[in-house]
Amino acid sequence: NAGVTQTPKFQVLKTGQSMTLQCAQDMNHEYMSWYRQDPGMGLRLIHYSVGAGITDQGEVPNGYNVSRSTTEDFPLRLLSAAPSQTSVYFCASSYDSPNYGYTFGSGTRLTVV
Amino acid sequence: DQQVKQNSPSLSVQEGRISILNCDYTNSMFDYFLWYKKYPAEGPTFLISISSIKDKNEDGRFTVFLNKSAKHLSLHIVPSQPGDSAVYFCAASAFGGSRLTFGEGTQLTVNP
Repeated sequence: NAGVTQTPKFQVLKTGQSMTLQCAQDMNHEYMSWYRQDPGMGLRLIHYSVGAGITDQGEVPNGYNVSRSTTEDFPLRLLSAAPSQTSVYFCASSYDSPNYGYTFGSGTRLTVV
Repeated sequence: DQQVKQNSPSLSVQEGRISILNCDYTNSMFDYFLWYKKYPAEGPTFLISISSIKDKNEDGRFTVFLNKSAKHLSLHIVPSQPGDSAVYFCAASAFGGSRLTFGEGTQLTVNP
């Protein structure tokens, strides 16, 4: 029973590089989301998905892409990393509406130099 | 603009006493509210929630109060324990809840 698995846990990128943050859940959850956590700003929604093949933008989508080809996986792609994307990224999932409580992964700490 | 605000970045209480964490919101369309707890180097974990049709919800030592007219909610922890020391986030959703909006978080420290 793995829950929500995020990889990698830590990553250092150079400005301009691209990478994909992986998120997988084994709970057959329909709803999945990506958040970033920055000091003093709480958790801000980047992108979310209400089911396979359906994605939508959150509060801070610029510089990020997502896709949801399967129920289990929801990768987050950084197209051209910038220092402003230095943050801790959390993936979350829920079976029904997030009103019933998201399950979060343990996070990916990303540093862009 | 910050639609969900937690104005106290930190709170310190003695073990056994009550902890009260506060949260204000500006979007009158929010109809569901949640609290999450986060320990260092871990993801947030869901704690308790409340629908806008209620003004109170209890779960063990945790009680959430909602004052819709003031657009204010609070989380009460009684009695507080050292293991409750964590960052607490409030969150809100609207229109059936496909997305959650979080506050900035409050660091609670419970001293033995």
